[in-house]
Amino acid sequence: EPEVTQTPSHQVTQMGQEVILRCVPISNHLYFYWYRQILGQKVEFLVSFYNNEISEKSEIFDDQFSVERPDGSNFTLKIRSTKLEDSAMYFCASTREEETQYFGPGTRLLVL
Amino acid sequence: RKEVEQDPGPFNVPEGATVAFNCTYSNSASQSFFWYRQDCRKEPKLLMSVYSSGNEDGRFTAQLNRASQYISLLIRDSKLSDSATYLCVVKTGRRALTFGSGTRLQVQP
Repeated sequence: EPEVTQTPSHQVTQMGQEVILRCVPISNHLYFYWYRQILGQKVEFLVSFYNNEISEKSEIFDDQFSVERPDGSNFTLKIRSTKLEDSAMYFCASTREEETQYFGPGTRLLVL
Repeated sequence: RKEVEQDPGPFNVPEGATVAFNCTYSNSASQSFFWYRQDCRKEPKLLMSVYSSGNEDGRFTAQLNRASQYISLLIRDSKLSDSATYLCVVKTGRRALTFGSGTRLQVQP
């Protein structure tokens, strides 16, 4: 069964550093998403991406964040200058149509 | 008012018990409804979609009441492997998923 994959599984970084989180969505999917989950809290939407552009973003997704689909398979989330409060689990999701979203295993980001 | 509200639990039940979870949502324009399951430190996994007519998948039954903006999940004959956090999830139009905070279930031997 096809799966969404994410790398790295864990990332530790210093405050102010840039991080790039990578995702490989399911191959025939067209819609891509990033969500985050701070420890002990609910899953929160960050951004959705379709047809090589952002289709929707939340208030969390400020100028420090960007997304890119640099080739036909990868979908990345960049945080330009990390803050302590960016520490969270980041989940990538994809879907073929606008229905069931399939989630990757997540990247656990720790900002020190 | 929270967009999607759930009782956080935990629900501690013995194996074989029947347990029910409820959820309310605030946006009456919401169109798609789901229950996801999340194990500790893992990704959310779709358990089932929820339809107005109600739907069943094995031991799991989901119900939707649009008038009351209320969604439920019933688990019959609980197994130890059902222990997890159950997430009520709503989608409004073309928008992304909105998650509840989850209800934790612990099935005990």
